Amino acid sequence: DAKTTQPNSMESNEEEPVHLPCNHSTISGTDYIHWYRQLPSQGPEYVIHGLTSNVNNRMASLAIAEDRKSSTLILHRATLRDAAVYYCIPNRDDKIIFGKGTRLHILP
Amino acid sequence: GAVVSQHPSRVICKSGTSVKIECRSLDFQATTMFWYRQFPKKSLMLMATSNEGSKATYEQGVEKDKFLINHASLTLSTLTVTSAHPEDSSFYICSAPTGRAGELFFGEGSRLTVL
Repeated sequence: DAKTTQPNSMESNEEEPVHLPCNHSTISGTDYIHWYRQLPSQGPEYVIHGLTSNVNNRMASLAIAEDRKSSTLILHRATLRDAAVYYCIPNRDDKIIFGKGTRLHILP
Repeated sequence: GAVVSQHPSRVICKSGTSVKIECRSLDFQATTMFWYRQFPKKSLMLMATSNEGSKATYEQGVEKDKFLINHASLTLSTLTVTSAHPEDSSFYICSAPTGRAGELFFGEGSRLTVL
């Protein structure tokens, strides 16, 4: 599994965009880049994934570097409900190994 | 609504007893499910892969005789913590694949407290 590096924690003001970075320099060519988040006392939930191209969905956008060695999860307008631990996970099958993730704090 | 449901959400038991946690896929079938445990302020640790109709595959360091996994149907996997000790107190979470590689549905988690 590719190793990932994410900031331990980040802060953002409510209603502002948030850019969550992830380095995955050892990613293999067939790995997708998945992002999950875990709200307090809940199981993780899928956020978004991509392979090479940038991706958008109702929750977030994913910007993937051209060399695929890093990616950025973008929350366009953070709300208090977005306070969670965000995990960046390169993988190619259903067996997901979680790293430490980034704890995102949203300031009202 | 939740597509993977766990029960119970919270359980308290005495040392030495066994506790069963159920993980159900709602409205879809799952030949494979995954069990994780999570200690406070820590990340999720994969314990085992549950396989419908066959033995579970355990990750290194996880005692298969202590954490019994049964996947008897396409919608139900169970984790039984046998002879529970206080150090088994943790948040146990299951997941099931959506069919799209790397995308999983996760249950709400089951918090076990062993007294």
